[in-house]
Amino acid sequence: AQSVTQPDIHITVSEGASLELRCNYSYGATPYLFWYVQSPGQGLQLLLKYFSGDTLVQGIKGFEAEFKRSQSSFNLRKPSVHWSDAAEYFCAVGAYSGNTPLVFGKGTRLSVIA
Amino acid sequence: SAVISQKPSRDICQRGTSLTIQCQVDSQVTMMFWYRQQPGQSLTLIATANQGSEATYESGFVIDKFPISRPNLTFSTLTVSNMSPEDSSIYLCSVVRGGNEQFFGPGTRLTVL
Repeated sequence: AQSVTQPDIHITVSEGASLELRCNYSYGATPYLFWYVQSPGQGLQLLLKYFSGDTLVQGIKGFEAEFKRSQSSFNLRKPSVHWSDAAEYFCAVGAYSGNTPLVFGKGTRLSVIA
Repeated sequence: SAVISQKPSRDICQRGTSLTIQCQVDSQVTMMFWYRQQPGQSLTLIATANQGSEATYESGFVIDKFPISRPNLTFSTLTVSNMSPEDSSIYLCSVVRGGNEQFFGPGTRLTVL
């Protein structure tokens, strides 16, 4: 079965510190992987996506993610967190074939402290 | 990218009533998806809507409770019927563009009293 696991429900980091949000997936076909961010009261915004090729992908707002097939992981990273990064982060997986819905993880809530 | 609008953006409804949510896309798409996000939870797929055919519902969701229309390639509606407080959620529509990149509407925040 297709599934996405985000093991950390809530993470708190200090502003300026580095960040890594974990994501593991289980998918029977070649996966497309995504990270979305949802700020309070806002819609979903795509941070980055991985389809193929270079396993380190760059996204918006200074985020990057690394695809590791052997570990079925797609962890999100940022070298220096800003207070405005406080939000809910969702990892999602979809089929390579297209026109299929995404399967989402339960999300990780990021809090940023001064 | 895709521009997706939803109406209403939010609503407060009484239990037992129904609400129809509209989703408009800026260009034609084959499939549209409806998701539900319950408070503090992740997104759960309700159904997939193809133009000209019946929507396909996920386990736990039924047509009588969540009827969907897809009259053309740019528009869809989701109705939440006979509402109860447990239906209080954010409802989002989405479409796929450019391979498998999925774009989401801004969501409809529903509160049922």
